[in-house]
Amino acid sequence: RKEVEQDPGPFNVPEGATVAFNCTYSNSASQSFFWYRQDCRKEPKLLMSVYSSGNEDGRFTAQLNRASQYISLLIRDSKLSDSATYLCVVTRWSYGKLTFGQGTILTVHP
Amino acid sequence: NAGVMQNPRHLVRRRGQEARLRCSPMKGHSHVYWYRQLPEEGLKFMVYLQKENIIDESGMPKERFSAEFPKEGPSILRIQQVVRGDSAAYFCASSPGLSRGDTQYFGPGTRLTVL
Repeated sequence: RKEVEQDPGPFNVPEGATVAFNCTYSNSASQSFFWYRQDCRKEPKLLMSVYSSGNEDGRFTAQLNRASQYISLLIRDSKLSDSATYLCVVTRWSYGKLTFGQGTILTVHP
Repeated sequence: NAGVMQNPRHLVRRRGQEARLRCSPMKGHSHVYWYRQLPEEGLKFMVYLQKENIIDESGMPKERFSAEFPKEGPSILRIQQVVRGDSAAYFCASSPGLSRGDTQYFGPGTRLTVL
């Protein structure tokens, strides 16, 4: 079983749609959680950290369920510029290395 | 504040040659990480270094691959006797430390093509 699993998609949605991505992780010792975004296999860029209390940044909302070892990302009012691969990432403090999911491909069309 | 810098951006090697990939971390960052992304796959951790020390090389292939982060100068990922399977994007990331809030920032990557 992969340490971090994501639905690879692709998700094809119209502008303005709401789309949700899910991610599960297998290592219960994981302590920090992130969503990164990768455009056309360029470098990954941090989208947002994910906290147990949930957090929101504009149109983006991330949730963490430690009991279920489940992470989610919700994008509201999708824009064309949201088209990218979204990477679920987990790590442990003092370990250094990030463990990436395979990514979920999102395409937003007019 | 310049971001993480990697060079070269593209590197073509023939089978059996050596590839040297360089990474300069962000200013003030002393922790460097290398990741590899094979075609159609996700990013995989290779090695984590601090100045002059390899901290974790659990993701590094046992043969032909080595990494260093000298006291002066960039971090180097070295691949000896490259094979076609080494063709991939190699990303370097840096962070100021390992605390909860210390995010890893990625460089633009080096695309290695082995002919």
